[in-house]
Amino acid sequence: QVQLVESGGGLVKPGGSLRLSCAASGFTFSDYYMSWIRQAPGKGLEWVSYISSSGSTIYYADSVKGRFTISRDNAKNSLYLQMNSLRAEDTAVYYCARVVGHDLDYWGQGTLVTVSS
Amino acid sequence: QSALTQPASVSGSPGQSITISCTGTSSDVGGYNYVSWYQQHPGKAPKLMIYEVSNRPSGVSNRFSGSKSGNTASLTISGLQAEDEADYYCSSYTSSSTYVVFGGGTKLTVL
Repeated sequence: QVQLVESGGGLVKPGGSLRLSCAASGFTFSDYYMSWIRQAPGKGLEWVSYISSSGSTIYYADSVKGRFTISRDNAKNSLYLQMNSLRAEDTAVYYCARVVGHDLDYWGQGTLVTVSS
Repeated sequence: QSALTQPASVSGSPGQSITISCTGTSSDVGGYNYVSWYQQHPGKAPKLMIYEVSNRPSGVSNRFSGSKSGNTASLTISGLQAEDEADYYCSSYTSSSTYVVFGGGTKLTVL
């Protein structure tokens, strides 16, 4: 069955960096576009970034553009999110999700990123 | 402020029907048939309930249905059950550089 498992979250100081990973299994990872979505504590969902199956097409939300970098390693069935210049407002649970069309059909359980001094 | 507007909360009694609205613009909801709905129980990951306005993924109850009129999409849940109590989010493809936008979410309470 499809499984997405995020890791790499934790506590980081403002201005710091963190790299999130998402390990995929149960499907042919290289066939699918993937996405990162985040949810601040007690708040709604916010789409963060999207990457095509080959990695050639990438989109970012304006709120993270220039600070976050999405990437993937199809040989390792893994999706990544490099987060630099972190701010308090980046504090959230970060989910990876599989993209089908314009929909997110499978989601991981999320990893919590806390940006605080 | 979210790009798509949803009511903060709705409620209904078991067996009743409720509808959640999701209002956008001609650049997102009104311009494309790429509206999705997600259900999220507390502490859990979101689950896709409706895609492309009115299609249900395999395994989703036919009590859930979607529709769209102009710039407003709607999710209807019929025959409300206690397990339907959750947060619901709409999303839409957008022609802006953002690519995908979400609504602010609606908390459904089953009385």
